[in-house]
Parts: sequence; C-alpha cells; structure tokens
Amino acid sequence: QVQLQESGPGLVKPSETLSLTCAVSGYSISSGYYWGWVRQPPGKGLEWIGSIFHSGSTYYNPSLKSRVTISVDTSKNQFSLKLSSVTAADTAVYYCARPDSGSFLLWGPGTLVTVSS
Amino acid sequence: DIVMTQSPDSLAVSLGERATINCKSSQSVLYSSDNKNYLAWYQQKPGQPPKLLIYWASTRESGVPDRFSGSGSGTDFTLTISSLQAEDVAVYYCQQYYSLPMYTFGQGTKLEIK
Repeated sequence: QVQLQESGPGLVKPSETLSLTCAVSGYSISSGYYWGWVRQPPGKGLEWIGSIFHSGSTYYNPSLKSRVTISVDTSKNQFSLKLSSVTAADTAVYYCARPDSGSFLLWGPGTLVTVSS
Repeated sequence: DIVMTQSPDSLAVSLGERATINCKSSQSVLYSSDNKNYLAWYQQKPGQPPKLLIYWASTRESGVPDRFSGSGSGTDFTLTISSLQAEDVAVYYCQQYYSLPMYTFGQGTKLEIK
C-alpha cells in the first residue's frame, strides 16, 4: 500500500531554513495526484502549508507563501518542503499527506521540528 | 480564504450518548456543477496523524464505524457520533476542499467522556 514518511532535522535555529523530505513508497509520484504538507503546532490545530502536483505546479497557503517552497523529485519518488526565516512560531509537527479528490486520506506519521537556538 | 469555524471547542458526552459537532464555513462549499459539498471530517488521537472519517460531507470512509455520520449542506455541517464509545475520545476537525488545491481546517473540537 501507499506509505509516506517524513524526514529532516528535528531542530532548526531561528532565521534559518527548515527543510523536510517526504518519501513515497507504493506509488509513483509521477503517476499523478497532488502531494501536500500540513503542520500542527504543539497543542494546536492543523494548518495546510501547501501542495504540489506531480507535474510541479505548486499552491501555497497565502499566510506562508513568501517563505515556502515545495518541490518534487520524481527520480527519488519524494517531495520536499523548505520554509525560510523560521521563528519559534514555526515549531510544529509537520505532516506530508496526499489529498484524494480533496480530502486527505493518506498521511505520514509526522515529524516534530523545533525552532530554537 | 474560506474560514472554517467549529463549535463547540470542547465537548463532554457520556458513554453511549450522542455527540454532535458543528462546522460552519464562511462561504458555501457546495459546488453547483456536481451538487457535492466539498467538506471532510477527521479524527485525531494523541501522537497520531489525523484519520479521515467522512468526505463529501456525508460519505463514510471505508472501515469507519457506522456510528459516525456527517450531514449538512452549503455552509453548515454536523458530525454526529450516535453512541459514544471510549475509543472515540479524540479531537475532531472539519476541512473544506472547495478551493482545492488549497484547503482550510476548522480549529478542532476536543471530545471527552463525561
């Protein structure tokens, strides 16, 4: 079955760039679907960060758009998130997920990223 | 942006009783072209990613117990758990995908046992 797995540093310094990768297994990204990132600050709700189509078209949350880049690497069957100029407010569990016709059926287990010096 | 507002923020219900969670969108999420409401419900337990329960506002995802049901149309939606079980303690979120591929979630409703 299709599985998603996030990876990346668990600690990022303020003002630096957060970088995460989502490895996809059981399905070829180049075959289709949107692929996305959602985050959840500790004890708070879910926030959609952005999505990328398999062709590379991207869509970002307007509140984060100036700092976010999502890219896809079909050769490695993975997609990535970069969030620049991070602050403590960016501390969160970051999930990669796949929306199927809009609702998110598939999720990675999530990875906690802490922004701290 | 479509803003999703859930009520209440928290809810305590006795085992076996009905639990009702509401979700209101700032604009209609009903597409006239296909007459579908672009609204989903999720359940999230501590330390786990969200689990999709309901999509198209009322279609239960495979494997979801039939005590979970979704209703509503346009801007007002409801998730109902007909007979609360201990394993239903969780935070529940609604999500609109009318503006896909851009999405917004409600703030969440914490469901506990009374």
